[in-house]
Amino acid sequence: NAGVMQNPRHLVRRRGQEARLRCSPMKGHSHVYWYRQLPEEGLKFMVYLQKENIIDESGMPKERFSAEFPKEGPSILRIQQVVRGDSAAYFCASSPPGLALSTDTQYFGPGTRLTVL
Amino acid sequence: DAKTTQPPSMDCAEGRAANLPCNHSTISGNEYVYWYRQIHSQGPQYIIHGLKNNETNEMASLIITEDRKSSTLILPHATLRDTAVYYCIVRVAVETSGSRLTFGEGTQLTVNP
Repeated sequence: NAGVMQNPRHLVRRRGQEARLRCSPMKGHSHVYWYRQLPEEGLKFMVYLQKENIIDESGMPKERFSAEFPKEGPSILRIQQVVRGDSAAYFCASSPPGLALSTDTQYFGPGTRLTVL
Repeated sequence: DAKTTQPPSMDCAEGRAANLPCNHSTISGNEYVYWYRQIHSQGPQYIIHGLKNNETNEMASLIITEDRKSSTLILPHATLRDTAVYYCIVRVAVETSGSRLTFGEGTQLTVNP
């Protein structure tokens, strides 16, 4: 069973360009979470999605950032008009559906390292 | 979610047990204790979780005190590859959907040869 997959692993953008980060959850998982880790800082929650729904986006910056998890295909974290402060590692996690928290363990992907020049 | 307190760093000799403490004195009855680790900027790796009983899996053991105000993660035979930042996270049980993980500073465990 393949783990959570993220691509690209490294992404370089110039200021003002758009960045698209993709996350394919583990097989059978329908919940996706995005976290950001700024240089020398801890992991911070950004957004939680289920198929075609944003459940909690309280950690998302108000502007330029958006996320989706379509019915088919990977989850996408999109950053428009990137700035140097967006340089960070972006991690995606997935968890299976279910009502019991014990089935809700989040498994992380390897991350995408975004560098904004 | 309840706040956790962990020592910023610990050292352990290779082959010995590593005991990583975590204080969560304000934990509520419906909150689980989760442990993750992050090896050198890789994606966080799930280790173990528990509610009030001690738990053991192939990676580690989790000992939770009876009053649930603290816990200890035990790596029984630490190897150099266990060098990582270990995060103790207290997370509320949500019945109908998932919930975020709130990462603190964690403990930098260094396993020495």
